[in-house]
Amino acid sequence: QVLLVGSGGGVVQPGGSLRLSCAASGFPFSDYAMHWVRQAPGKGLEWVTFIHFNGNNKIYADSVKGRFTVSRDNSKNTVYLQLSNLRLEDTAVYYCAKNRGGSLGLDYWGQGTLVTVSS
Amino acid sequence: QTVVTQEPSLTVSPGGTVTLTCASSTGTVSSGSYPNWFQQKPGQAPRPLIFSTSNKYSWTPARFSGSLLGGKAALTLSDVQPEDEAEYYCLLYSDGAQPWVFGGGTKLTVL
Repeated sequence: QVLLVGSGGGVVQPGGSLRLSCAASGFPFSDYAMHWVRQAPGKGLEWVTFIHFNGNNKIYADSVKGRFTVSRDNSKNTVYLQLSNLRLEDTAVYYCAKNRGGSLGLDYWGQGTLVTVSS
Repeated sequence: QTVVTQEPSLTVSPGGTVTLTCASSTGTVSSGSYPNWFQQKPGQAPRPLIFSTSNKYSWTPARFSGSLLGGKAALTLSDVQPEDEAEYYCLLYSDGAQPWVFGGGTKLTVL
């Protein structure tokens, strides 16, 4: 079955960096685009970034553009999110999610990993 | 940037029917927005329910249905069960710099 396991979250100071990972299994990873979505404590879902199946096309939300970088290693079935120049408002649970295909949506989600930005 | 609006909260009685809607600040929501619906319970990851307006996943209960209604995307729950109490989010796609936008969520209370 499809499984997405996120890791790498933790506590970091403002201005700091962190790298999140999402290990995928149960589907042909290199055939599918992936997303990252975040959720601040007590708030709604916010789409963060998308990476094409081959890593050649990446799209970011304005709120993270220039600070976050998405990448993938298809040989390791893993997608990454590098978080830099972190702000207090980046505190959230970060979910990776599999793209269903085309623009159809997000059909499988990881369990989420918590990033806390605090001084 | 597109803003997607949902009802903040709704209340329904067990066995009843309720419709949640999802509107776009850019205008009419069409099938080209590929509306998705997700259910989220406290402490859990979102669970996909509907994709591309009205298509269900294998795990989506039959009482959930998606549609377009009055220029909005809609999620209708029939014969509501106590376990349907949750937050529901819609997701719309558009051609642009910010292709995917979530609605603010609807907190559904079953009472």
